[in-house]
Amino acid sequence: AQSVAQPEDQVNVAEGNPLTVKCTYSVSGNPYLFWYVQYPNRGLQFLLKYITGDNLVKGSYGFEAEFNKSQTSFHLKKPSALVSDSALYFCAVRPPSGNTPLVFGKGTRLSVIA
Amino acid sequence: DGGITQSPKYLFRKEGQNVTLSCEQNLNHDAMYWYRQDPGQGLRLIYYSQIVNDFQKGDIAEGYSVSREKKESFPLTVTSAQKNPTAFYLCASSGKGGRNTEAFFGQGTRLTVV
Repeated sequence: AQSVAQPEDQVNVAEGNPLTVKCTYSVSGNPYLFWYVQYPNRGLQFLLKYITGDNLVKGSYGFEAEFNKSQTSFHLKKPSALVSDSALYFCAVRPPSGNTPLVFGKGTRLSVIA
Repeated sequence: DGGITQSPKYLFRKEGQNVTLSCEQNLNHDAMYWYRQDPGQGLRLIYYSQIVNDFQKGDIAEGYSVSREKKESFPLTVTSAQKNPTAFYLCASSGKGGRNTEAFFGQGTRLTVV
């Protein structure tokens, strides 16, 4: 069975500093990996995905994520945080076979302080 | 929001009452999903459907029911058997898989027992 761990419930960062939100996964075979962002009382917005190819994936709003197969990690990064990046971030995984549901981590709340 | 409409945005249920949450998509996606979100627990899968007239139980299906009579629609009924229904409910859909494998989410329905 696949699973996702987001080890930090909360990440605080100063505006303008780089940010990292951590994610590790467990899945049989090569995974499909995703990051989503959620603002209060809203649905999830897709940020980026890793399917295959380059380990560094670039997504929306200046976010990127690095796939590391040996460490089974897919950490979300941004070089310079904005106050508007403050939100709840979810990592998700699915196996490559079929159209199976995404399995989500518990989420990490990012707070960017001006 | 990806062309997925959930209604209503807020819903209040009395004890012992069944309520139905609507989810409609115009993305021509084959698969649809219902997730429940509680604080600190991430997203948990209730039911999913990969094709019309077929659906599968997720991790927390007890007390819920679904139907998939049309490709565009996947309503969720919260029955009186669900003892703790107060939560934020999210509907999602995804395409056939492959590179177009991310899920798109609606804006959610917040259900409260009164």
